[in-house]
Amino acid sequence: EIVMTQSPATLSVSPGERATLSCRASQGVGSNLAWYQQKPGQAPRLLFYGASTGATDIPARFSGAGSGTEFTLTISSLRSEDFAVYYCQQYDYWPLTFGQGTKVEIK
Amino acid sequence: EVQLAQSGGGLVQPGGSLRLSCAASGFSVSSTYMFWVRQAPGKGLEWVSVMRAGGTIYYADFVKGRFTISTDNSKNTLYLQMGGLRPEDTAIYYCTRGRTAILTWFDPWGQGALVTVSS
Repeated sequence: EIVMTQSPATLSVSPGERATLSCRASQGVGSNLAWYQQKPGQAPRLLFYGASTGATDIPARFSGAGSGTEFTLTISSLRSEDFAVYYCQQYDYWPLTFGQGTKVEIK
Repeated sequence: EVQLAQSGGGLVQPGGSLRLSCAASGFSVSSTYMFWVRQAPGKGLEWVSVMRAGGTIYYADFVKGRFTISTDNSKNTLYLQMGGLRPEDTAIYYCTRGRTAILTWFDPWGQGALVTVSS
């Protein structure tokens, strides 16, 4: 099973600042990587698939990058509605696996 | 609009049974891979089961033999019949649609159903 490791576990950021989240796969997954945002009490919401292809209505301040084993999700200028938990998920190998999440909190 | 609306969930004693439902709109559950994914309290996401009508059905090892995934195409609804429930099955259960084949990302997600297994 592919192990997805996200870092940091918690990221404290001030509104307007840049946030960079990392996701590492235990072996190469090509570009078969998705990112989700989950706010308290809500279901996950797809942000990116194919490592960098944005889902519908994703704000331009979000970007995804990477391939192989190293991936990043960047939020260029944090807004209040962006404080949430972010998960990566690989879909190159069965079983599908998720990272443990990065919580982006207000500094 | 593509949506998934869940129902079911609740409090059940260890060893008990429960059925979750997931009604789809805007697409047909029979034409794609449909998944159940769960999230234990304060924890991350893990897939539970997947099916494509008329073919593939898989279960995670921790639910194999206890849970059954199915669809009713006439109601365009996905189900998860859960039996032999254990305290460690306590979680929010989400239904979600696979966007490609079985190796896929997920979109959209249902709103979730809380299952609590406790005496």
